[in-house]
Amino acid sequence: DVKVTQSSRYLVKRTGEKVFLECVQDMDHENMFWYRQDPGLGLRLIYFSYDVKMKEKGDIPEGYSVSREKKERFSLILESASTNQTSMYLCAVQGRKGDNEQFFGPGTRLTVL
Amino acid sequence: QKEVEQNSGPLSVPEGAIASLNCTYSDRGSQSFFWYRQYSGKSPELIMSIYSNGDKEDGRFTAQLNKASQYVSLLIRDSQPSDSATYLCAVMKRVDTGKLIFGQGTTLQVKP
Repeated sequence: DVKVTQSSRYLVKRTGEKVFLECVQDMDHENMFWYRQDPGLGLRLIYFSYDVKMKEKGDIPEGYSVSREKKERFSLILESASTNQTSMYLCAVQGRKGDNEQFFGPGTRLTVL
Repeated sequence: QKEVEQNSGPLSVPEGAIASLNCTYSDRGSQSFFWYRQYSGKSPELIMSIYSNGDKEDGRFTAQLNKASQYVSLLIRDSQPSDSATYLCAVMKRVDTGKLIFGQGTTLQVKP
């Protein structure tokens, strides 16, 4: 299985701060995804990337941006954090071609005060 | 209509019983189907994938797919208290995008 790591398990930030969430994979997989998960709303796709410097908007990209300068690393950026961005953020990596399985990192529980 | 629907539960079964989790999806052209298990406070863990009609077995888990009925299910045999978790159904509409659509999840409680 792919190993996916995320920079922090828990993070507390203040409103208006710029927040960086990092995701790193240990395999040479092209596809990486950022989701947020909220009670009652389930998992929602924020952004995804097919390759270095490529990105696509998901279902809820507003208030977020992403960066993928290296294949193994996919960053989610909250330009100006707001309280409604308090959530669990999950990074996922899609396995080898033809397999399509997605593997999740441990998640980052972000609280914006 | 939600694209992927699951009964939120909780589904309560006694230890040793068969737990049956169900999922329906709206896009008839969907191609790949996945079941994830998520413990409280943890990230989803992939437990089964299924791509063609019929059954797929892996240990105590069996995934069943019926594309004509747009229905996918997960059976857990000999349920254990450690199986208590939320089970997420995910559907990939197009293989080339890799995007998954998730259901809301079904909470399973296995009582000793």
